[in-house]
Amino acid sequence: DIQMTQSPSSVSASVGDRVTITCRASQGISSWLAWYQQKPGKAPKLLIYAASSLQSGVPSRFSGSGSGTDFTLTISSLQPEDFATYYCQQANSFPRTFGGGTKVEIK
Amino acid sequence: QVQLVESGGGVVQPGGSLRLSCVASGFTFSSSGMHWVRQAPGKGLEWVTFIHYDGSDKYYADSVKGRFTISRDNSKNTLYLQMNSLRAEDTAVYYCAKGYNNIDYWGQGTLVAVSS
Repeated sequence: DIQMTQSPSSVSASVGDRVTITCRASQGISSWLAWYQQKPGKAPKLLIYAASSLQSGVPSRFSGSGSGTDFTLTISSLQPEDFATYYCQQANSFPRTFGGGTKVEIK
Repeated sequence: QVQLVESGGGVVQPGGSLRLSCVASGFTFSSSGMHWVRQAPGKGLEWVTFIHYDGSDKYYADSVKGRFTISRDNSKNTLYLQMNSLRAEDTAVYYCAKGYNNIDYWGQGTLVAVSS
């Protein structure tokens, strides 16, 4: 099974900050990576698919990059509604696996 | 608009069984792969199982293999998860979700609590 490791597990940031979250796969997954945002008590929401493609309706301040084993989610200018937990997920093979999550908190 | 509505959650004793259902609307269910993903209280997301659009292939996480069974009825636009031999560690919110590679729509979730 492919293990997904996210870092950091939490980050404190202010509105307007640039935030970067990384995700590492235990083996190469090409560009088969998705990013999700989850707010408390709500279902996750797809932000990025195929490592760098922005899901329809998602603000352009979100971007994804990487391929192979190392990936990054960047929020260029953090907005109040972006405080949430973010997860990566590999889509290269079954079983699908998620990273442990990164909580973005208010500084 | 796409809607996924789960039902069937509740409290069950260890060793018991439960069947979850997910009714889909707003898209061509019979053409879509479907997943179940769960989230234990205060924990991260855990992928549980997937079924191809026609039910021809199914995949399971090791943690549920042999105990859980995914199925679908395309005539009823409904996805199922039969859960047997339930354990305390199966306690979670269970999400029905649409997609193959990535998951583009999620239901609101149904809570399963395994407790004596």
